[in-house]
Amino acid sequence: ILNVEQSPQSLHVQEGDSTNFTCSFPSSNFYALHWYRWETAKSPEALFVMTLNGDEKKKGRISATLNTKEGYSYLYIKGSQPEDSATYLCASAGGTSYGKLTFGQGTILTVHP
Amino acid sequence: GAVVSQHPSRVICKSGTSVKIECRSLDFQATTMFWYRQFPKQSLMLMATSNEGSKATYEQGVEKDKFLINHASLTLSTLTVTSAHPEDSSFYICSARPPTGRGYNEQFFGPGTRLTVL
Repeated sequence: ILNVEQSPQSLHVQEGDSTNFTCSFPSSNFYALHWYRWETAKSPEALFVMTLNGDEKKKGRISATLNTKEGYSYLYIKGSQPEDSATYLCASAGGTSYGKLTFGQGTILTVHP
Repeated sequence: GAVVSQHPSRVICKSGTSVKIECRSLDFQATTMFWYRQFPKQSLMLMATSNEGSKATYEQGVEKDKFLINHASLTLSTLTVTSAHPEDSSFYICSARPPTGRGYNEQFFGPGTRLTVL
């Protein structure tokens, strides 16, 4: 994988559903993987910075895992709420872009009440 | 903490005019700021890295004479789109990296500026 890729592109779930989405990134020269939540008309909000293979981080109902050997990270949201509706971005710091962040296109999550 | 502001949030200008966008770190000092551009349905693309007191480093394909960056203080970086044309219409967003964030390239973002060139 040469670029950072996120899937799915968009996701619609009902309130209370749990959901997850994927970020794939170059595994060579990995340094760090960032997750952001971006609500419309606001600044992207940093959720997690992950660096170690097998790392798992949690913030409330949101958690993320990291596999640096195969180059992917999962973001999980348990019991989705309408306020979770946002675009979730991942960004890789490493590979051929050391010192910079390379972003995926984002996953647009819509949680319906 | 770690708040970054960006001004203006939206600007509409005529073709051929120049537009200045400001990015400020409000509660921390940032020796490094970044400018990104996002076209519809695409990811944030890094345009340039701005270091306080020195020239900006531009990514391949970004015209430095068209996108002037000034990082004159530890809390302010500006991006000037010179002689703007309709193809420059895009969403521009800045980020600032605190000194403690250098290790993992931690960045805090402004809310972005929507530029429309008529």
